[in-house]
Amino acid sequence: ETGVTQTPRHLVMGMTNKKSLKCEQHLGHNAMYWYKQSAKKPLELMFVYNFKEQTENNSVPSRFSPECPNSSHLFLHLHTLQPEDSALYLCASSQERAEATGELFFGEGSRLTVL
Amino acid sequence: RKEVEQDPGPFNVPEGATVAFNCTYSNSASQSFFWYRQDCRKEPKLLMSVYSSGNEDGRFTAQLNRASQYISLLIRDSKLSDSATYLCVVPPGAGSYQLTFGKGTKLSVIP
Repeated sequence: ETGVTQTPRHLVMGMTNKKSLKCEQHLGHNAMYWYKQSAKKPLELMFVYNFKEQTENNSVPSRFSPECPNSSHLFLHLHTLQPEDSALYLCASSQERAEATGELFFGEGSRLTVL
Repeated sequence: RKEVEQDPGPFNVPEGATVAFNCTYSNSASQSFFWYRQDCRKEPKLLMSVYSSGNEDGRFTAQLNRASQYISLLIRDSKLSDSATYLCVVPPGAGSYQLTFGKGTKLSVIP
């Protein structure tokens, strides 16, 4: 059981499609994150929201567009993606700033394949 | 030196063995360090934190060497269920949310 749920778990899309990934946390945390995990690469931080405000955008291409309507929900809108964007997209949340406690709670991820 | 560098692995060890992973980091200002565990096709989960010289939790011991800027994770009496990828995580310091993850070291405990 995880306090962070992500949907869909698997997504296959063409380069011209528009889709969205959804994340919901049930832990009462204040910060939410999107990470990208590709094979043989370390986790890459994409976006950070703290109290619904975006605090970091890690030079992510504009074809990825985050949205955080409230502290419990986080979306990642996808459009005109490239095959190299195929990866596991992990949502995470934390109570406080993660570098203090190091404790991120991850969802199970959305595995994205771009054809 | 890369921000976070881990033993390449994979480590294939028999049940009951003791295995150790090392992780080097470049930011000398980092105060706390973390080990995460990621099972195959699962999400990463925090395993241990290392705030000073070390931390022990059952069969797991994490140690920090500030002078040489590395942390280690020691697993004693390995179990089949320890098979996973172990991620070294280093915070960059105040002012950022960016925990830096290593690529991970894969451990397979074989019967």
